[in-house]
Amino acid sequence: KQEVTQIPAALSVPEGENLVLNCSFTDSAIYNLQWFRQDPGKGLTSLLLIQSSQREQTSGRLNASLDKSSGRSTLYIAASQPGDSATYLCAVWSHRGSTLGRLYFGRGTQLTVWP
Amino acid sequence: NAGVTQTPKFRILKIGQSMTLQCTQDMNHNYMYWYRQDPGMGLKLIYYSVGAGITDKGEVPNGYNVSRSTTEDFPLRLELAAPSQTSVYFCASSHWTGGETQYFGPGTRLLVL
Repeated sequence: KQEVTQIPAALSVPEGENLVLNCSFTDSAIYNLQWFRQDPGKGLTSLLLIQSSQREQTSGRLNASLDKSSGRSTLYIAASQPGDSATYLCAVWSHRGSTLGRLYFGRGTQLTVWP
Repeated sequence: NAGVTQTPKFRILKIGQSMTLQCTQDMNHNYMYWYRQDPGMGLKLIYYSVGAGITDKGEVPNGYNVSRSTTEDFPLRLELAAPSQTSVYFCASSHWTGGETQYFGPGTRLLVL
C-alpha cells in the first residue's frame, strides 16, 4: 500500500528564510506527484505537479523536485513571506490496487511565517 | 467561472440522521471525487466518478452513497450518520484522471453528535 509521509509536521520561521519541505512515499510506481496548499477553512489549491518522468518543476518562488527511485520529493520555498503561511500537502498518483489510480495524500506540513 | 462549489459549508447532524452534500463543477470535467479529511490527517478518497452514470468506490466508502446523473453534479449521501463521519468533506474534479491537476471545492464541515 502506498504511504506518503511529510516532514516536518509543523514549521515556524521568520520572514525571508528559504524553506525546504520534505515528502516521502513508499511505492515508487507513481504516475505523478503534486504539491497543494491548504488555507484554514478552505479547499486545496494546486501548486505544482511533477510527472514521474520529470525531475523538478518551478513556479515563481516555489521549486519542487522529485527522485522517484528513492521515493522522495522536496518543496523549496525561496524568500518566505507571511502570506506563505498555510498547510502544504504532498500527494502521489498511483495505480497500485486500483484500475484507475488515485491520489494518496500525506498529512501535511503546517507552515507559519512571521514578520 | 465558479470552479467547484459545495453546499452546505457547515452542518450538525444527530446520530442516525441522513443528509446529502452537494457538489457542482462548471469546468465540464469528466472526473469527480469525494474526499474526507480528519483532523491532522491526509485526505482519503470516498468515491469517484469517471462520467455521468459511472461511479466507483474509493478507500473509505462505507456509510456513503453517490450518484452522477449529470456531468456537473456529484452529490454525496450519508445514511444513518455516525460520530465517525465527523470530518471535513472535499469534492474535487479533473478533466481526466491521473495526468491533470484536481480542482477542489471549499469543503463541507460536518459534525455528528
